[in-house]
Amino acid sequence: DVKVTQSSRYLVKRTGEKVFLECVQDMDHENMFWYRQDPGLGLRLIYFSYDVKMKEKGDIPEGYSVSREKKERFSLILESASTNQTSMYLCASIGQGGEAFFGQGTRLTVV
Amino acid sequence: AQKVTQAQTEISVVEKEDVTLDCVYETRDTTYYLFWYKQPPSGELVFLIRRNSFDEQNEISGRYSWNFQKSTSSFNFTITASQVVDSAVYFCALSPGGYSNYQLIWGAGTKLIIKP
Repeated sequence: DVKVTQSSRYLVKRTGEKVFLECVQDMDHENMFWYRQDPGLGLRLIYFSYDVKMKEKGDIPEGYSVSREKKERFSLILESASTNQTSMYLCASIGQGGEAFFGQGTRLTVV
Repeated sequence: AQKVTQAQTEISVVEKEDVTLDCVYETRDTTYYLFWYKQPPSGELVFLIRRNSFDEQNEISGRYSWNFQKSTSSFNFTITASQVVDSAVYFCALSPGGYSNYQLIWGAGTKLIIKP
């Protein structure tokens, strides 16, 4: 089974902090995605990566950056956390057939 | 325009009833993929099914079945004899053929509540 693991299930951070959300997959997938999910807004794509050191902006990249130094790891970085970044963050790894395998999600609260 | 519409925001049924979740999509591509995902209260999205645009055969997996109709641009999901464990948010998604890297266009989701 594909395993996608996000480093934290719940996280509370202060405004202005730099926040790292880590995601690791164990199936050697090339494509990995970061989404945020908010009530009434569905899933919105923040960034995706199609190879090591390669990244593309999604629909809402502002305030975020990403890092893909190794194929199995895709990190989302909140440069200076703000309260409007309080959300559920979902990492996905994409299989050869295009199906997305998700981590358990990180519920981030910025206070 | 590429779009996925799940018009039903929330559906509530009593256990053992059949329920159908609607999904309508828009794309100009001739090659595309359609997906259904389940998000239980625990939060993790689970892949249920993938369909490519050239395969209009209906799919059945246990109590789950999917009806893909290109003529109406729909990919509906039916749960037969629903159970409380089916309670979740269900998402329909489209991966257009013109998109590289398997980007997905998501519907807003349908919250399904199964009452005992």
